[in-house]
Amino acid sequence: DSGVTQTPKHLITATGQRVTLRCSPRSGDLSVYWYQQSLDQGLQFLIQYYNGEERAKGNILERFSAQQFPDLHSELNLSSLELGDSALYFCASSAPGSYTFGSGTRLTVV
Amino acid sequence: EDQVTQSPEALRLQEGESSSLNCSYTVSGLRGLFWYRQDPGKGPEFLFTLYSAGEEKEKERLKATLTKKESFLHITAPKPEDSATYLCAVQGNQAGTALIFGKGTTLSVSS
Repeated sequence: DSGVTQTPKHLITATGQRVTLRCSPRSGDLSVYWYQQSLDQGLQFLIQYYNGEERAKGNILERFSAQQFPDLHSELNLSSLELGDSALYFCASSAPGSYTFGSGTRLTVV
Repeated sequence: EDQVTQSPEALRLQEGESSSLNCSYTVSGLRGLFWYRQDPGKGPEFLFTLYSAGEEKEKERLKATLTKKESFLHITAPKPEDSATYLCAVQGNQAGTALIFGKGTTLSVSS
């Protein structure tokens, strides 16, 4: 157990739908990062939050959004889903020099 | 733009056959270079962080080294349980920069 908790582990949904992925960081970590991993693209950085504020954006689509709550857990919202959004979605939390990943959510869009 | 290129994409070794994985990078000021191991369907597992050229770190059969342009992950006398995808990532010096990953090297070790 890495200390970073992601739910759900698996999600199957239809095109056009909206889903929410959840991440609880390690105790004491203020930063949360979201990554998407597909077979051909590798791990792609989506967005970072630090202590509730958006800190950096990567290759995140406009259909995707995220937020970090006062208890530091984070949610990634994916809407108008397309087949190409099928991927593993990882959350990571960090302290200086240390980035720890969760076990991921496997999203399948059918 | 920060970039990471890993080679080879795939590597097959016999048990006990040592080899090295390469990670070439370009970054506007390196804050850290990270190596992770990832098993299929699992999250990346942290191995090492290197901060400056000339630095080396070891863990069991793995040794990571860093120069100004690349890093190597040396695997000595690998075992089948070392089979995994090895990911390299860099973090630039600008505040708030996330880890930028290469596509990984998939290592298969057969007995």
